[in-house]
Amino acid sequence: DAGVTQSPTHLIKTRGQHVTLRCSPISGHKSVSWYQQVLGQGPQFIFQYYEKEERGRGNFPDRFSARQFPNYSSELNVNALLLGDSALYLCASSLAGRTEETQYFGPGTRLLVL
Amino acid sequence: GQSLEQPSEVTAVEGAIVQINCTYQTSGFYGLSWYQQHDGGAPTFLSYNALDGLEETGRFSSFLSRSDSYGYLLLQELQMKDSASYFCAVMIYNQGGKLIFGQGTELSVKP
Repeated sequence: DAGVTQSPTHLIKTRGQHVTLRCSPISGHKSVSWYQQVLGQGPQFIFQYYEKEERGRGNFPDRFSARQFPNYSSELNVNALLLGDSALYLCASSLAGRTEETQYFGPGTRLLVL
Repeated sequence: GQSLEQPSEVTAVEGAIVQINCTYQTSGFYGLSWYQQHDGGAPTFLSYNALDGLEETGRFSSFLSRSDSYGYLLLQELQMKDSASYFCAVMIYNQGGKLIFGQGTELSVKP
């Protein structure tokens, strides 16, 4: 079975641009969470979606937005990119987004903002 | 707020046993998880403690003591491939899938 997939794997953008990152969860998983991981630090929670509804939001500015589609895949959008947005963006899926469920991570999208 | 503290790096030799500690300041958390991450790749789930005590999964064991706000990951029979970053993370009540991660411990296994 395929795990969590993300695209693209790498991306280079310039300040002020917009970016869209994509995630497909494990088949049968209905919850998707997004995390930002800056080099040398642990992942930081950005969003969680379940059944197309936002369930949780981390401490990120409104430039960050996300959505989930009927097939449970998800997009993370970041507007007006800043140099500090350079990071590895991870997507994780779980069955139903319940607190006790294990989350399975994708390989991430490495974003570089110049 | 919530915070988790881990040592930044640990070095051990092949075949040895190593313990990675995690102390936390958080309230209302559901359980403590451990993830492994090689060179910025996908974090891989290793172990989870919902209750106090020891959980064993092959060469890896994890321990939780809520009264001491402390947990650890124990890696036995270390192999070179165990060189990676290890993260503890807590799952917060009533916040769905939100995981709060520690800063990570970089484990180097030497021959």
